[in-house]
Amino acid sequence: AQKVTQAQTEISVVEKEDVTLDCVYETRDTTYYLFWYKQPPSGELVFLIRRNSFDEQNEISGRYSWNFQKSTSSFNFTITASQVVDSAVYFCALSEANGEGGSEKLVFGKGTKLTVNP
Amino acid sequence: EAGVTQSPTHLIKTRGQQATLRCSPISGHTSVYWYQQALGLGLQFLLWYDEGEERNRGNFPPRFSGRQFPNYSSELNVNALELEDSALYLCASSLDLSTTDTQYFGPGTRLTVL
Repeated sequence: AQKVTQAQTEISVVEKEDVTLDCVYETRDTTYYLFWYKQPPSGELVFLIRRNSFDEQNEISGRYSWNFQKSTSSFNFTITASQVVDSAVYFCALSEANGEGGSEKLVFGKGTKLTVNP
Repeated sequence: EAGVTQSPTHLIKTRGQQATLRCSPISGHTSVYWYQQALGLGLQFLLWYDEGEERNRGNFPPRFSGRQFPNYSSELNVNALELEDSALYLCASSLDLSTTDTQYFGPGTRLTVL
């Protein structure tokens, strides 16, 4: 069965600090997709990134970077020089292939609440 | 381009009543997903519709049901409401079931059962 573990329930940092959010996943499939979403207090889930299981390249987008390591089943997310606006709950999610070329439902971790203090 | 929209924003019902939640996907998307985010339980998959058909269902009782209309909008119905149904219900859409498109989420409907 699929499972996503975000061991850090809450993290608090001071502005400009770097912070890494951990995500460990379990799946029996060889084809799967990993996601990170941000949920600000308004409640809407905002898509940040998607990786497929065949692409282990790390990715950087501005202050955000992601480290995907199949060997340790991890997909960690780092925010460099954090800002107050980064305060939100961050969810890691896993989706397996649905057998018709697309992806299946998302299985979410419990989320990590990040608070960035000024 | 408009994102996923949901209505109503808030819904207050009493135990035993029925609730109907609505979702309009991003234009061109045919797949619609429903998730429940209850306090302490995290985000849980409820239902998935594509081209008007139910494709998958999460571990929820039959009183949670829904449908997808020809214009791909969707409705989630919750019958015989219980207190523990109080949650944020999120709808997401993706291109279709044959592509690995990302699921994009709406703002949610917050259901409160008194």
